[in-house]
Amino acid sequence: AQTVTQSQPEMSVQEAETVTLSCTYDTSESDYYLFWYKQPPSRQMILVIRQEAYKQQNATENRFSVNFQKAAKSFSLKISDSQLGDAAMYFCAYRSALLKTSYDKVIFGPGTSLSVIP
Amino acid sequence: ETGVTQSPTHLIKTRGQQVTLRCSSQSGHNTVSWYQQALGQGPQFIFQYYREEENGRGNFPPRFSGLQFPNYSSELNVNALELDDSALYLCASSLAFGGWEETQYFGPGTRLLVL
Repeated sequence: AQTVTQSQPEMSVQEAETVTLSCTYDTSESDYYLFWYKQPPSRQMILVIRQEAYKQQNATENRFSVNFQKAAKSFSLKISDSQLGDAAMYFCAYRSALLKTSYDKVIFGPGTSLSVIP
Repeated sequence: ETGVTQSPTHLIKTRGQQVTLRCSSQSGHNTVSWYQQALGQGPQFIFQYYREEENGRGNFPPRFSGLQFPNYSSELNVNALELDDSALYLCASSLAFGGWEETQYFGPGTRLLVL
């Protein structure tokens, strides 16, 4: 079964600094997606960044980038120039690329709570 | 482009009652997934609907059921509510085609409290 692990329950970063959130996963599939979602206290789950497993190039979205290591099954999120609005719970998530599966569609990690210090 | 919407935002029920939660998918999406998120935890997959049929189910009992309508909106029904059903219920929609599913986008959630 697929699993997602986030080993950092809480992280903090100084405003304007860089922080990296860790995520590891386990799967026997070859076609899948990895995501980082952000959930502020307002609770809306917002997609931060997505990585297709078949792409070797790491995804980037403005200040957010990932380090995708497929062989090591590692998928970390780097936030550069941290802003106060980045404070939230961050979830790493795995999903098979196939529509039809016999197991959970999306596997979420337990989350990392990020605080940004002014 | 209209995002995913959910109603109601908050709900209070008593143990044993039944509840229906609603979700409108994002424009152009044909697939809806439901998740339960207990306080302080990551979301847990309940089930997914694709073309009005259940397309996968997580480890939830049959008293959790759903529907998808021709306009791709969806309902989550929970019968015989238990205290442990208190959670945030998230709906996510996506576009699926050719056996593949694209990124899921989440709604704001419905907070259910069972007393």
